[in-house]
Amino acid sequence: DQQVKQNSPSLSVQEGRISILNCDYTNSMFDYFLWYKKYPAEGPTFLISISSIKDKNEDGRFTVFLNKSAKHLSLHIVPSQPGDSAVYFCAASARGRAGGTSYGKLTFGQGTILTVHP
Amino acid sequence: DGGITQSPKYLFRKEGQNVTLSCEQNLNHDAMYWYRQDPGQGLRLIYYSQIVNDFQKGDIAEGYSVSREKKESFPLTVTSAQKNPTAFYLCASSIRAGVVENQPQHFGDGTRLSIL
Repeated sequence: DQQVKQNSPSLSVQEGRISILNCDYTNSMFDYFLWYKKYPAEGPTFLISISSIKDKNEDGRFTVFLNKSAKHLSLHIVPSQPGDSAVYFCAASARGRAGGTSYGKLTFGQGTILTVHP
Repeated sequence: DGGITQSPKYLFRKEGQNVTLSCEQNLNHDAMYWYRQDPGQGLRLIYYSQIVNDFQKGDIAEGYSVSREKKESFPLTVTSAQKNPTAFYLCASSIRAGVVENQPQHFGDGTRLSIL
């Protein structure tokens, strides 16, 4: 049961243009969402997050949009740079009771490979 | 310079052997996690620990064991009971368990385990 889905395995974008990465979720209990970036043979690094009380969060070139009714979030990168080429994972979490088995657990999507061409 | 160190980077196991993957953090984080990544899949949670001497099973704990005797260390043992151990293993930590805004999980650079 894939609760977080990134339906596009890959995305190719020209340098300077906008990159839009999408993520859908099915669990209505999810209320905190994150995007991670991962280079080959390295661990993921945190990019940006959003709480369900917001519909947009911006940090420099990165903006995350959340549409709760559609259970959809997206990451916009503007302008895209070749150094942005990596795998991008979205992740979701449901606030649970302290000590519970799901407390703070992150559920990850499958990832989208972004390639930014010079 | 604080961070998470995983060792070794590459590990080979013979069938029927147990192997232990090391994870050390000097971030003074209470919570630590082990994930597994397979090609074309997201990260799946194996075990997590909210505090020293405590750990909980994640989604795919069968064939794995952990210990948390020190705050800094959270080793993962892949036992012979794990039938498909070939994967990329990632360790993470966070200031505490639970969702803390602007305090995400930080990851090590992973260990790639292969079966000989």
